[in-house]
Amino acid sequence: QVQLVESGGGLVKPGGSLRLSCAASGFSFSAYYISWIRQAPGKGLEWVAYITGGGSTMYYAESVEGRFTISRDNAKKLVYLQMNSLRAEDTAVYYCAKGRFLDDLDYWGQGALVTVSS
Amino acid sequence: DVEMTQSPLFLPVTLGQPASISCRSSQSLVYSDGNTYLNWFQQRPGQSPRRLIYQVSNRDSGVPDRFSGSGSGTDFTLQISRVEAEDVGVYYCMQATHWPPWTFGQGTKVEIK
Repeated sequence: QVQLVESGGGLVKPGGSLRLSCAASGFSFSAYYISWIRQAPGKGLEWVAYITGGGSTMYYAESVEGRFTISRDNAKKLVYLQMNSLRAEDTAVYYCAKGRFLDDLDYWGQGALVTVSS
Repeated sequence: DVEMTQSPLFLPVTLGQPASISCRSSQSLVYSDGNTYLNWFQQRPGQSPRRLIYQVSNRDSGVPDRFSGSGSGTDFTLQISRVEAEDVGVYYCMQATHWPPWTFGQGTKVEIK
């Protein structure tokens, strides 16, 4: 069955860095894009970043552009979110989700909590 | 960016009664292929989001038929024909026509009276 498992969350100080991973199984990984979506405590959903199945195209939300980098390793079926210059407002549960062109976000992982605090 | 506005934000419902959530977009969600890419997600307490409906009215696999989606252009509705206890949670609409970014509504919290 389809599985997406996030890891790498934790507590980091403002200005620090963290790398999240999303491990996939149960589907043809390179045929799907992966997005990261976050949810601040008690708040709604915010799309953060996107990468195509082949890894050639990436998009970012304005709120993270220049600080976050999404990448993928199709041989290992992993997607990464490198987060630099972290701010308190980046505190959230980060979900990875898969999709195809015009068939978006059909399956989500369980999420990884990132807390940015001194 | 396309803004998505849901109403109400809080919806107390009686078990067995119907429920309806509205979602409006700041511009038409009709794509160049003629389809409309409006999705609905359910997030039960303590769980990750789950897609319920895609392209306005298509139920995902395993979604009970008491859930239905409708609408066109900029106005969309998620209906639950008879609310059950397991339907408690937050429901989000999301547009996938004009991206990036993909944008979500604020969420509607459904609780049992």
